[in-house]
Formats: sequence, C-alpha cells, structure tokens
Amino acid sequence: EAEVAQSPRYKITEKSQAVAFWCDPISGHATLYWYRQILGQGPELLVQFQDESVVDDSQLPKDRFSAERLKGVDSTLKIQPAELGDSAMYLCASRPRYYNEQFFGPGTRLTVL
Amino acid sequence: DQQVKQNSPSLSVQEGRISILNCDYTNSMFDYFLWYKKYPAEGPTFLISISSIKDKNEDGRFTVFLNKSAKHLSLHIVPSQPGDSAVYFCAASEGGNKLVFGAGTILRVKS
Repeated sequence: EAEVAQSPRYKITEKSQAVAFWCDPISGHATLYWYRQILGQGPELLVQFQDESVVDDSQLPKDRFSAERLKGVDSTLKIQPAELGDSAMYLCASRPRYYNEQFFGPGTRLTVL
Repeated sequence: DQQVKQNSPSLSVQEGRISILNCDYTNSMFDYFLWYKKYPAEGPTFLISISSIKDKNEDGRFTVFLNKSAKHLSLHIVPSQPGDSAVYFCAASEGGNKLVFGAGTILRVKS
C-alpha cells in the first residue's frame, strides 16, 4: 500500500541551529501539505503545494521557515534558526487530484533544547 | 478563533458498546468533513468522511452523521474494540483545500 514517507522520524536540536525535514508523497499526488501539531492540539497547516507551486503559506513563519517542492514531487521544510517554541510534530500529507481525503506520513518529532 | 471544536477531551467506553465522538464547527462554508485516528508517535490515519450534501455515511463499524443546521457532526463506532483506543480528530475543509482540525478526543475502550 502506498504511503507518505517522512524523514527523519525524530530530531533533537539546540536553539539557533538549522533543521530540515523531508517528505515524499504518495506517487501521483499533486497536492502536498505540511502541518505542525503541538501536543494537545490538532494539526495546523503551514504550507500547501500544488505541484511545485505554493498555494497557501499564510501560516508559515517566513522569517525562519522555508519550504520547497522543486520538481513537484518530494518536498523539504527548513527551520533556521530553530526556537524552543518550534518543538512539535511536523506532518506531511498528500492528496490525489479530485479527492478531498488527505493522507498523512508518520511525522517528524522535533525537540528544540 | 477555533472553527472546529471537539469539546470532549476524552471518552471512556466499555468494549462492545457504542462510542460517540462529537464535533462542532462555525464556518458555514465548510463542505467536506473527515475523521482521523491517531496513535502516539504516528501520523493521523484517515477513517471516514462525509460531504455536506449528505447527512450520513457508513463504513463497517464507523458511521458519521452530519447535521448542517446545527453545524454538528458525530462519529459512531459500533461495537467498540480495545484497538479503537486512540486520539480521534475531526477535520473540515472548504473546496478541497486545507484541513482545519479540532483539538482531538482521546478514546479509551476498556476490555
């Protein structure tokens, strides 16, 4: 069964360092999302891609966060510099064209010390 | 401003009985609703969804009911099993775009 892949699964870093997360969506899914989930809350959208284009990045803290999907397939989310408040689960999801259901990867648990 | 609310942080149910998880929303433009199940240290897993043109959708032990006038939906699990113990998230979308999630309800099914 096709799945969304994410790496690393866990990342511990010190504040002010740079971190990067990688996501490979289900093959053929044109839409890719990055969400952040803080403990005790539901996931919140950071950025949405349609193919290689950003569709919605209104909630992305652009002073420190960046995201790209250069060839419209896999994607990278970067944080530089990391802050203590960035500790959370970072989830990637993809959606096939003409469907509403999004399929999530296992997430990357980030801890900033 | 929370557009999707799950007012019960947790629910405990006996194995074999019905579990009912509730969700309220405020944005009348939402046209698609989904339920996800999440285990610790894993990503959310899609369970069941419903379009705003329907009021019920059923898949095996899982049924979702939508009451548009009350802006309320619920997930029924019958019969509940210990493996159903997880966090359940309600989510809504408008036009197939981003999902807006509730804060989740922890379901514990006791054997």
